[in-house]
Amino acid sequence: KQEVTQIPAALSVPEGENLVLNCSFTDSAIYNLQWFRQDPGKGLTSLLLIQSSQREQTSGRLNASLDKSSGRSTLYIAASQPGDSATYLCAVTGTASKLTFGTGTRLQVTL
Amino acid sequence: NAGVTQTPKFQVLKTGQSMTLQCAQDMNHNSMYWYRQDPGMGLRLIYYSASEGTTDKGEVPNGYNVSRLNKREFSLRLESAAPSQTSVYFCASSSQRTGSYEQYFGPGTRLTVT
Repeated sequence: KQEVTQIPAALSVPEGENLVLNCSFTDSAIYNLQWFRQDPGKGLTSLLLIQSSQREQTSGRLNASLDKSSGRSTLYIAASQPGDSATYLCAVTGTASKLTFGTGTRLQVTL
Repeated sequence: NAGVTQTPKFQVLKTGQSMTLQCAQDMNHNSMYWYRQDPGMGLRLIYYSASEGTTDKGEVPNGYNVSRLNKREFSLRLESAAPSQTSVYFCASSSQRTGSYEQYFGPGTRLTVT
């Protein structure tokens, strides 16, 4: 059974700092990996999707990498801003296009 | 293009009552999903429908039923609600046409069972 772990569970950084969120998964037979953002009381917003054949994807200040063989992904956020404060969820797509989620990293960016 | 829509946004039920959560997508996606989100547990798959006319159990199907009414709509029914079903429910859809399997989520339904 696929298991997805995210470390750390919570993170507080001052504005302007670069930061890395980590995600690991136990079964490397995946179609893709998605990073989502969730604001309190809201739904999920897709940030980046990395196909299993890709190594990384970039969108603005966000860069996600994937090392399928070692079962790891990182989400790099450059020059963090208070508006980046949210919970970040990692999820992998396995058989029948089913997603398995991690429990998330709660990020707070302080002024 | 509304994406994935869910109704209702909030609901309070008494133990033993029944209700149906509605989900619709306008992206012509083949696959649709129901998840629940609980504190400390992440999102867990309840049921999914790979295509119109098919449904399958996910990780936590007990106490729920689903109907894929047509390609656009996928409903989740609680026949006899229990306090353990207090949660936030998310519907999602995806398409395999491009091979990406990217999933798009609705805004969620916050359900409280007393």
